[in-house]
Amino acid sequence: GAVVSQHPSRVICKSGTSVKIECRSLDFQATTMFWYRQFPKQSLMLMATSNEGSKATYEQGVEKDKFLINHASLTLSTLTVTSAHPEDSSFYICSATIGGGYQETQYFGPGTRLLVL
Amino acid sequence: AQTVTQSQPEMSVQEAETVTLSCTYDTSESDYYLFWYKQPPSRQMILVIRQEAYKQQNATENRFSVNFQKAAKSFSLKISDSQLGDAAMYFCAYRSEVGSNYQLIWGAGTKLIIKP
Repeated sequence: GAVVSQHPSRVICKSGTSVKIECRSLDFQATTMFWYRQFPKQSLMLMATSNEGSKATYEQGVEKDKFLINHASLTLSTLTVTSAHPEDSSFYICSATIGGGYQETQYFGPGTRLLVL
Repeated sequence: AQTVTQSQPEMSVQEAETVTLSCTYDTSESDYYLFWYKQPPSRQMILVIRQEAYKQQNATENRFSVNFQKAAKSFSLKISDSQLGDAAMYFCAYRSEVGSNYQLIWGAGTKLIIKP
């Protein structure tokens, strides 16, 4: 149980195009979903927190208009990188929380590697 | 603000032996949660073990156990009988009980190398 999927696993795009990444909780309804960015050999950097039916909460320094997050249902959140540029190339990871209170644990998707040419 | 420190960028251990990964944190809260996550070369983050701060008993999961020292704000991970499949980046994370959304605060990670 507690499986989170991400699609696509890898994407290469041209500079200036937009890319959408999907994050799904397959066997549970997620209270909250998180989006992270990870640079090589570094820890995870939280980009935004997403709750179903409400606007995402972005971390300081993350451009809302560049990284659009839509949380349409309790099992699906999407991250759209708009007008992507080479500096947006990175590994993007989503996670979904299950349970509540002290039981709440984040389960992670397998990640999406984005390369912008 | 809370911080998590992993002072060992890299550790190596002989297969079948035991290794301990260090993690310290800083907080003024009394109730919180601590986690160890593993990220193998596939980059899939996997929950290894979790500890609730209100519990005095150290959490264990098969070959993985923690040494939780609340007063010292220390949360080390011990891996017994190391296996080749344990090779990965290990991240320590802190989560507050206060507030909504329960964001994780991450350490920088420790790369664990298993020598055959």
